[in-house]
Amino acid sequence: EDQVTQSPEALRLQEGESSSLNCSYTVSGLRGLFWYRQDPGKGPEFLFTLYSAGEEKEKERLKATLTKKESFLHITAPKPEDSATYLCAVRFNQAGTALIFGKGTTLSVSS
Amino acid sequence: KAGVTQTPRYLIKTRGQQVTLSCSPISGHRSVSWYQQTPGQGLQFLFEYFSETQRNKGNFPGRFSGRQFSNSRSEMNVSTLELGDSALYLCASSLKYDSSGYGYTFGSGTRLTVV
Repeated sequence: EDQVTQSPEALRLQEGESSSLNCSYTVSGLRGLFWYRQDPGKGPEFLFTLYSAGEEKEKERLKATLTKKESFLHITAPKPEDSATYLCAVRFNQAGTALIFGKGTTLSVSS
Repeated sequence: KAGVTQTPRYLIKTRGQQVTLSCSPISGHRSVSWYQQTPGQGLQFLFEYFSETQRNKGNFPGRFSGRQFSNSRSEMNVSTLELGDSALYLCASSLKYDSSGYGYTFGSGTRLTVV
């Protein structure tokens, strides 16, 4: 059973069409939830860290929120340059410092 | 400032051979982690080094090993390569061990193809 599940696997949006990506996790003892963006041929780029339920972080058109067992990455009025794979990762007590990643959501934004 | 540098970018090896990949962290970063990324499994944690010591290890066979030097540069080695080892190998550095507040900075990876 996957410990971190992201949905949907792929999402196609029109420019300006807002939406949300989901990350759910089954681990207990959460020590942090991370969102990354990965462009083709590159390594993941850090976006946000969330620690506790109710926490929110924002950066430009992106807003990340955290509840007890899931996180959402809201994309408001996306642009074509927001097209990328968005990865969610968690750290929890049993895994030490390892990041446990979901398989990602590939977002395509067309103009 | 310079980012995380991984060399080589691309590598083709034959089954049964061994390979060494290199990672130079951001200047001042002392922790280096390695991940394997494949289309089927996504990113999976290999190991983390801090101050030349392996501090954490993922669930990979002993064919996968690594080390860290006094200047924080790290290498990982895969012996007796198998076709399933074909993947993008990513290195990430952070200021300190267990630096959950800072996130990790990833390199662009080494694309290993085993034929």
